[in-house]
Amino acid sequence: QSVLTQPPSVSGAPGQSVTISCTGGTSNIGAGNDVHWYQQLPGTAPKPLIYGYINRPSGVPDRFSGSKSGTSASLAITGLQAEDEGDYYCQSFDSSLSGWVFGGGTKLTVL
Amino acid sequence: QVQLQESGPGLVKPSGTLSLTCAVSGDSLSGDNWWSWVRQPPGEGLQWIGEIYRSGSTNCNPSLKSRVTFSLDKSKKQFSLNLISVTAADTAVYYCARWTSYKSPNHYYMDVWGKGTSVTVSS
Repeated sequence: QSVLTQPPSVSGAPGQSVTISCTGGTSNIGAGNDVHWYQQLPGTAPKPLIYGYINRPSGVPDRFSGSKSGTSASLAITGLQAEDEGDYYCQSFDSSLSGWVFGGGTKLTVL
Repeated sequence: QVQLQESGPGLVKPSGTLSLTCAVSGDSLSGDNWWSWVRQPPGEGLQWIGEIYRSGSTNCNPSLKSRVTFSLDKSKKQFSLNLISVTAADTAVYYCARWTSYKSPNHYYMDVWGKGTSVTVSS
């Protein structure tokens, strides 16, 4: 059971939008610690999608965006495409655990 | 373009030692980066193991700290993970990754990942 809670799954039709939440607490997201998001497509290694809550690495489409509110962070994906299907993980530093933690992951299905 | 490649035995006996190496190309290992390990048990999510800096400083997941050591060899452009007293619970795909600074001080994210190597703990 991770200290960062993500919905196990989300789905949407091509072209639609989805949001993936990452709920933490006062020792991680609420403490202002960094939040990063990673995309893991089937059978591949994770790839950075969003860093520092809102920043996109070079090459990541602006269909992907991040935000934060209180003790939660969110990843929004607009204009869903079939190739977006995969698992999405949030990551933050937990001051109580003295280490980095990942959310449990969210499986995105494009219908 | 920076690339990372994990290597090591795919099968380790219970109570034995898991030793993995990550070969780095396109980076000297002398910059402001941390060199990290993450694992993923079959069908499960990601677990941070820890990392090492160019100076030799390390950070480690408290749940693994008693069993883990890290090393870094700039001359060979590689860094390594040793995990002792392994059990079936250590069976996972192990990834090496690079933390890159995006804002000073102390703001990093994992920008480059290896493809991962599968390790099974079984007799």
